[in-house]
Amino acid sequence: DQQVKQNSPSLSVQEGRISILNCDYTNSMFDYFLWYKKYPAEGPTFLISISSIKDKNEDGRFTVFLNKSAKHLSLHIVPSQPGDSAVYFCAASPDSGNTPLVFGKGTRLSVIA
Amino acid sequence: KAGVTQTPRYLIKTRGQQVTLSCSPISGHRSVSWYQQTPGQGLQFLFEYFSETQRNKGNFPGRFSGRQFSNSRSEMNVSTLELGDSALYLCASSLAVGQKYFGPGTRLTVT
Repeated sequence: DQQVKQNSPSLSVQEGRISILNCDYTNSMFDYFLWYKKYPAEGPTFLISISSIKDKNEDGRFTVFLNKSAKHLSLHIVPSQPGDSAVYFCAASPDSGNTPLVFGKGTRLSVIA
Repeated sequence: KAGVTQTPRYLIKTRGQQVTLSCSPISGHRSVSWYQQTPGQGLQFLFEYFSETQRNKGNFPGRFSGRQFSNSRSEMNVSTLELGDSALYLCASSLAVGQKYFGPGTRLTVT
């Protein structure tokens, strides 16, 4: 039973355009959501997070939107750059404490110059 | 500040053998978590240690075990290796709670 789903294994976007990565979850206990980016031969690096009390969080070119009623979140990257090409993982947890993160399977983003 | 380090980076083992992987967390971080990444399953939580005690455990068989030392360094052990154990094993450290910082992983291949 997959509690965090990233239904698009891959996505290709032109440089300068918007990248939208989607994530759905099934566990209504999840209250804290994160996005990680992973390059080959490196560990995942934290990108941005959002707690359930918000519906949007922005950090530079990266914005995460949360729709709790739909159990859906998305990561927007504007404008997309070739260096953004990586695998993006969505993760969720019941809190921002020590509870283990539950990850999706990832979406491979390719930004084409 | 040095990041999370994992050794070895690559490992090839034969079915039935056992393996030990090591993780050194960021200085000052007392929580260490282990995840298994496979192409079909994404990142799956193995276990988490804090102050030498296992604080959380995922749904993996007893062949997977771990420990944490007084200096917060952690090891995980997999006994009686199976082909399906081939994966990237990631270690993440954090302060008692909060954002996790991942190491580069150990790529284990079981033949």
